[in-house]
Amino acid sequence: EIVLTQSPATLSLSPGERATLSCRASQSVSSYLAWYQQKPGQAPRLLIYDASNRATGIPVRFSGSGSGTDFTLTISSLEPEDFAVYYCQQCSHWPTFGQGTRLEIK
Amino acid sequence: QVLLQESGPGLVKPSETLSLTCAVSGNSIGSDYYWGWIRQPPRKGLEWIGSIYHSGSTYYNPSLKSRVTMSVDTSKNQFSLKLSSVTAADTAVYYCARSTVTSRDYFDYWGQGTLVTVSS
Repeated sequence: EIVLTQSPATLSLSPGERATLSCRASQSVSSYLAWYQQKPGQAPRLLIYDASNRATGIPVRFSGSGSGTDFTLTISSLEPEDFAVYYCQQCSHWPTFGQGTRLEIK
Repeated sequence: QVLLQESGPGLVKPSETLSLTCAVSGNSIGSDYYWGWIRQPPRKGLEWIGSIYHSGSTYYNPSLKSRVTMSVDTSKNQFSLKLSSVTAADTAVYYCARSTVTSRDYFDYWGQGTLVTVSS
């Protein structure tokens, strides 16, 4: 099983600030990594796939980077609706998810 | 517009079998996508359970494989999940989802989720 470790567990920022979320894999997943956003009571929403490709309808302020074992999700300027939990997911082997990063309003 | 809707009992007794169905609208289940189940225990993260293709081809999470059966009904445009010998650890919100066109393992459309509680 490939284990994904996300950091930090919680990130406290203000609207307008830049957010940087990390995801580290226990072994290389090449670029087979996605990012999801989940708000309370809602299903996850696909943001980024294959490490750096934005899914349909996702704002350009969301960007992904990385390959191998280290990946980053960047939100360039936080909007109020961006405060949520973010999960990374790999599909190099059978799919696994990270434990999530909670992005909260400071 | 692609819509997925989970249905099934919200309460299952320990040792029994959990059964859920996902009805799909706005997309033929016979098209070139995989259809998956993902669950989320209360206040915890996401766990992929397994995925199925319209041909009936399946692949499952190895940690659940011995207890999972998935099936597809193209005539009803729906697919199903059975999880046997459930325990309290199987209590979770269960989501059905559609894979992306580029990968069977990324999911771009999700149902709203259904909470299944395992308790006597």
